[in-house]
Amino acid sequence: EAQVTQNPRYLITVTGKKLTVTCSQNMNHEYMSWYRQDPGLGLRQIYYSMNVEVTDKGDVPEGYKVSRKEKRNFPLILESPSPNQTSLYFCASSGLAGRLNTEAFFGQGTRLTVV
Amino acid sequence: GQQLNQSPQSMFIQEGEDVSMNCTSSSIFNTWLWYKQDPGEGPVLLIALYKAGELTSNGRLTAQFGITRKDSFLNISASIPSDVGIYFCAGRSDNYGQNFVFGPGTRLSVLP
Repeated sequence: EAQVTQNPRYLITVTGKKLTVTCSQNMNHEYMSWYRQDPGLGLRQIYYSMNVEVTDKGDVPEGYKVSRKEKRNFPLILESPSPNQTSLYFCASSGLAGRLNTEAFFGQGTRLTVV
Repeated sequence: GQQLNQSPQSMFIQEGEDVSMNCTSSSIFNTWLWYKQDPGEGPVLLIALYKAGELTSNGRLTAQFGITRKDSFLNISASIPSDVGIYFCAGRSDNYGQNFVFGPGTRLSVLP
């Protein structure tokens, strides 16, 4: 089954304690992206990647890091989480634009609370 | 970043009614997508559109890629309680590289 898998689904952590949210896709997609979703603000892009070792900032990259060492994985790293990073996070993947069937598939979400 | 415009923001309808919502932009897109999101869950793809004028159905859902390539429409016929949720549109175009642009969502409530 084609899917994007995020872990964990829920996470409560303390300010300053480094954490990683994993994202994995089994569709051999080149493009992967992280978003955060906050009430009234919609989906905002944090970072994206167009292929292995190719990453770029989205609209709200501050306080986040990513890596793309393998095509299927795109972890989101918070080196020193702060309460304003409390949010619902989504990973998504798709094929590259200009080809057929390049819709985005989303993970189930990770609800992060930083206290 | 750029966001698409979606209307209405929210709607309350009676079970069995038809629903229409739309998504507009000031720039053209090559791909229009419609998603449904349940609370706390990830958006699930409903319909994907790739050509201007294209009309595609998925069960009771029908979506159209506007001729101008600047808009798209989603219709739901004979609504049922499980249609409740937030409906997002998304667009993709050369103007934004490989990235998707999202609308803010239409929140649909279905009254029994």
